[in-house]
Amino acid sequence: GENVEQHPSTLSVQEGDSAVIKCTYSDSASNYFPWYKQELGKGPQLIIDIRSNVGEKKDQRIAVTLNKTAKHFSLHITETQPEDSAVYFCAAQDGSPPLFFGTGTRLTVIP
Amino acid sequence: EAGVAQSPRYKIIEKRQSVAFWCNPISGHATLYWYQQILGQGPKLLIQFQNNGVVDDSQLPKDRFSAERLKGVDSTLKIQPAKLEDSAVYLCASSLDWGTGNTIYFGEGSWLTVV
Repeated sequence: GENVEQHPSTLSVQEGDSAVIKCTYSDSASNYFPWYKQELGKGPQLIIDIRSNVGEKKDQRIAVTLNKTAKHFSLHITETQPEDSAVYFCAAQDGSPPLFFGTGTRLTVIP
Repeated sequence: EAGVAQSPRYKIIEKRQSVAFWCNPISGHATLYWYQQILGQGPKLLIQFQNNGVVDDSQLPKDRFSAERLKGVDSTLKIQPAKLEDSAVYLCASSLDWGTGNTIYFGEGSWLTVV
């Protein structure tokens, strides 16, 4: 099955700075890569996703890039705000479910 | 649109006892998932249903875990007997269909502590 590695495990940034989280995957058949945000005591919420026929996708302050050759994808958050503090998970899906999740990155935005 | 509903939110039981978690997916979603999330880790799939049929239960410890989705809507996950290592958050999720790229929506989870 798919193996997704995620780093860093923790990340602290000053408010207004950018944050970058990186993931690698093992199965070249994977073609769907969502990112989830999980706040304390809540379930993961989808914030952005990308499919393998696209190299980059942006939604306001959030962007995701995908390099299929290198089998890695990244989440970029610009102009970070305190409410961005949470645990972020990347995931990958090959031709069929389920989603395979990374181990998570705890992002802390310092006001 | 109502989200994925789960209950109970929190449960503390002693080892060897049993526990059941209930899930009501988003209306119209054919695919339902149960994930286990151990503290500090990403969610791991336990079982996946398509309507009322099991698609994947390869990671479900069948000697102690069972799940059903009668009538293809609500689902129940049961653990009997519970072990200390079952302490985790049990996340129910649903998606419109089974195909790749269908957005998976998660509930808030049922937190289980086994003492």
